[in-house]
Amino acid sequence: GNSVTQMEGPVTLSEEAFLTINCTYTATGYPSLFWYVQYPGEGLQLLLKATKADDKGSNKGFEATYRKETTSFHLEKGSVQVSDSAVYFCALSSNNDMRFGAGTRLTVKP
Amino acid sequence: ETGVTQSPTHLIKTRGQQVTLRCSSQSGHNTVSWYQQALGQGPQFIFQYYREEENGRGNFPPRFSGLQFPNYSSELNVNALELDDSALYLCASSRLGQGREKLFFGSGTQLSVL
Repeated sequence: GNSVTQMEGPVTLSEEAFLTINCTYTATGYPSLFWYVQYPGEGLQLLLKATKADDKGSNKGFEATYRKETTSFHLEKGSVQVSDSAVYFCALSSNNDMRFGAGTRLTVKP
Repeated sequence: ETGVTQSPTHLIKTRGQQVTLRCSSQSGHNTVSWYQQALGQGPQFIFQYYREEENGRGNFPPRFSGLQFPNYSSELNVNALELDDSALYLCASSRLGQGREKLFFGSGTQLSVL
């Protein structure tokens, strides 16, 4: 069945450091891929998405590229801020079936 | 602010009891989905409602049931609570036709079963 595997956390970085959170997926068909972010005490918010191979999703300085050949959708940001501290979820949607990864907690220290 | 509101925010029940969680969808949305998020895990899909009928279900037993009302608000009911039902329950609304991926989540109800 469909599944998402993402890098285990927690991840702790200093402000302005480079961020990578790895995500790989298994799916039948041609899924859409997403990154959601969950700030403390809040629900999940869509951060970015990509709907086909080689698409790049981007938002708020975060980027992820849909790599069909490696079945990956790694999240990157060139310079993280304290306000980026949150839990990040990779997700896929295929045939109306949405699956989430386990989440990666990011803490950014000043 | 996504416009999706859930109540209550926290709830404590004992094993064997029944619980009802509530969700008000974002304005203009006609579909509501419920997810269970165990501690340290990603959300797991429970079911989705569209036009007051179940429109998809995940791998959850029948004691998890739901309702959607004409104003698109929704309830999640869980009977015969078990300790493993302790989790954050998330409601997400969307507009059918935009795909399930355009989800707007509420802040969740934290359920503790003792």
